[in-house]
Amino acid sequence: GQQLNQSPQSMFIQEGEDVSMNCTSSSIFNTWLWYKQDPGEGPVLLIALYKAGELTSNGRLTAQFGITRKDSFLNISASIPSDVGIYFCAGNSNSGYALNFGKGTSLLVTP
Amino acid sequence: DTEVTQTPKHLVMGMTNKKSLKCEQHMGHRAMYWYKQKAKKPPELMFVYSYEKLSINESVPSRFSPECPNSSLLNLHLHALQPEDSALYLCASSQSSGQGGFGSPLHFGNGTRLTVT
Repeated sequence: GQQLNQSPQSMFIQEGEDVSMNCTSSSIFNTWLWYKQDPGEGPVLLIALYKAGELTSNGRLTAQFGITRKDSFLNISASIPSDVGIYFCAGNSNSGYALNFGKGTSLLVTP
Repeated sequence: DTEVTQTPKHLVMGMTNKKSLKCEQHMGHRAMYWYKQKAKKPPELMFVYSYEKLSINESVPSRFSPECPNSSLLNLHLHALQPEDSALYLCASSQSSGQGGFGSPLHFGNGTRLTVT
């Protein structure tokens, strides 16, 4: 599959701060998905993006499909303790059907 | 609550045991998937079923045997596993078999935590 570079690997922030994480690929993607995984649970779909330049919000979360089609970012505004978890980006390239995952961003939020 | 249901939630088995993991979805999705996930790692694809037929096997050892009895159910039969097979096994489904693309994102269950002793 395609290599996805997700950064940062981990973040340790205070409640109320904004968070930003991103993913880049070496090839053009037609889909970007963002998932959150809590301990002992499966990944939960947060936002799905299908068009270059698309900006989509889900509550305090905002994600964008980069115009180069090789990157995406996820922002979380005014973080709260329940935002703690691992966030994965995932996407499909034009060259195949495989869903490629980033290595994840581990988010810790202190009250 | 997830719309993909997996049972059991936890499973401990010996290396000579035979066990099965079960997955069910009622979203009318036509593609179902098995993933394996190690701690702090992303999910790794094992199998893809599309319209109840096996379409992708990611070179998974034969001690893992998938089965799709109908469009809503997916099983993973386990036999003679090794301790290194201990992991979280995730089932997922999507409307089409594009593995998340083409407007058809994957929806995951909560997984079965498997421990092989």
